[in-house]
Amino acid sequence: GNSVTQMEGPVTLSEEAFLTINCTYTATGYPSLFWYVQYPGEGLQLLLKATKADDKGSNKGFEATYRKETTSFHLEKGSVQVSDSAVYFCALIGNTGGFKTIFGAGTRLFVKA
Amino acid sequence: DTAVSQTPKYLVTQMGNDKSIKCEQNLGHDTMYWYKQDSKKFLKIMFSYNNKELIINETVPNRFSPKSPDKAHLNLHINSLELGDSAVYFCASSQDLGGPGANVLTFGAGSRLTVL
Repeated sequence: GNSVTQMEGPVTLSEEAFLTINCTYTATGYPSLFWYVQYPGEGLQLLLKATKADDKGSNKGFEATYRKETTSFHLEKGSVQVSDSAVYFCALIGNTGGFKTIFGAGTRLFVKA
Repeated sequence: DTAVSQTPKYLVTQMGNDKSIKCEQNLGHDTMYWYKQDSKKFLKIMFSYNNKELIINETVPNRFSPKSPDKAHLNLHINSLELGDSAVYFCASSQDLGGPGANVLTFGAGSRLTVL
């Protein structure tokens, strides 16, 4: 079945550091890929998405590129801020096997001032 | 206006009790979901309804019964609560089931259930 694997956290960075959170997936066909972010005490919200190979999703300085050859969708940001502290979830929805969004385990990010 | 609202936000109850969580969305979406998030933040889908019709029913104990009176509402009733039911339950909605744009999820703020 479809699955998502993302790097374990927590990840602790200083403000203005470069961020990478790795995400790889297993899916048949051509899934759509997402990053969701969960701030403390809130529900998840969509950060960015990509729907086909080589697409780059971007939002709020975050980027991720859909790499079919490596089945990856790594999240990057050039300069993190304290306000980026949150839990980040990689997710996919396949075009086969039902209409379920499958989430990775989440990666907690702490950014220190 | 809150897009996906769920009540209550916190629920503390004894083992064996029955409780309900309500969810409403004002986005005009056709599809609604219940997700369970455990203490390690792992998210697992429980149910999905599309236009009041049950579409996804994961391996959830039958003590959990969803009910969708109309496409804007999806409630979750839990009978005979157990310690392991303690979690944060998230309601979500999406425009529709199919297509990459149609199934972006909008989440509620969550309902934290604590079973003592």
